[in-house]
Amino acid sequence: ILNVEQSPQSLHVQEGDSTNFTCSFPSSNFYALHWYRWETAKSPEALFVMTLNGDEKKKGRISATLNTKEGYSYLYIKGSQPEDSATYLCAFGAAGNKLTFGGGTRVLVKP
Amino acid sequence: DAGVTQSPTHLIKTRGQQVTLRCSPKSGHDTVSWYQQALGQGPQFIFQYYEEEERQRGNFPDRFSGHQFPNYSSELNVNALLLGDSALYLCASSAGRVNSYNSPLHFGNGTRLTVT
Repeated sequence: ILNVEQSPQSLHVQEGDSTNFTCSFPSSNFYALHWYRWETAKSPEALFVMTLNGDEKKKGRISATLNTKEGYSYLYIKGSQPEDSATYLCAFGAAGNKLTFGGGTRVLVKP
Repeated sequence: DAGVTQSPTHLIKTRGQQVTLRCSPKSGHDTVSWYQQALGQGPQFIFQYYEEEERQRGNFPDRFSGHQFPNYSSELNVNALLLGDSALYLCASSAGRVNSYNSPLHFGNGTRLTVT
């Protein structure tokens, strides 16, 4: 059973502040690491798919880094806005195996 | 370009009954995966279908079964429903070979199943 942990489970951010949170995954048999944003009443939306150690991806004010050797990925939100309020899910893909999701980090941006 | 569509959106069933959930993948996608999301947890993988066959399966009992049709749409069937089956069921589609995780999943809005 693959263990994918996300921390913290939830966080409150003041509008305009920057924040980051973590996804931890097994450091062996790495194939891919996905990040998804899941807004209330919507479907999860893909943010990034990362496959190489040291990968850095950016989409607007959101960016992510990947360290496959130590088994973690960070997601950063710069200058948080109310529309960034969502649950952020990471998913770990091991070679020859299914995508395993973490429990998510619920972000609430306060105006 | 229609995304992933799931039906119904909500469903209430009684313990012991059977249920069928449906999913149409995004246009151009041939692989369909089903996930169960219980309150407070991340999505748990049920199984994946490709070329009308179940190619991967998560840790779910045989009460959970599925099917993929030639047009790539898929059904999830759950027999002998238990209270613990109450959850949001998500369908996700992708393109390409099974285990090819370089492409992101495209999710539907889910079916909320309540078992009483």
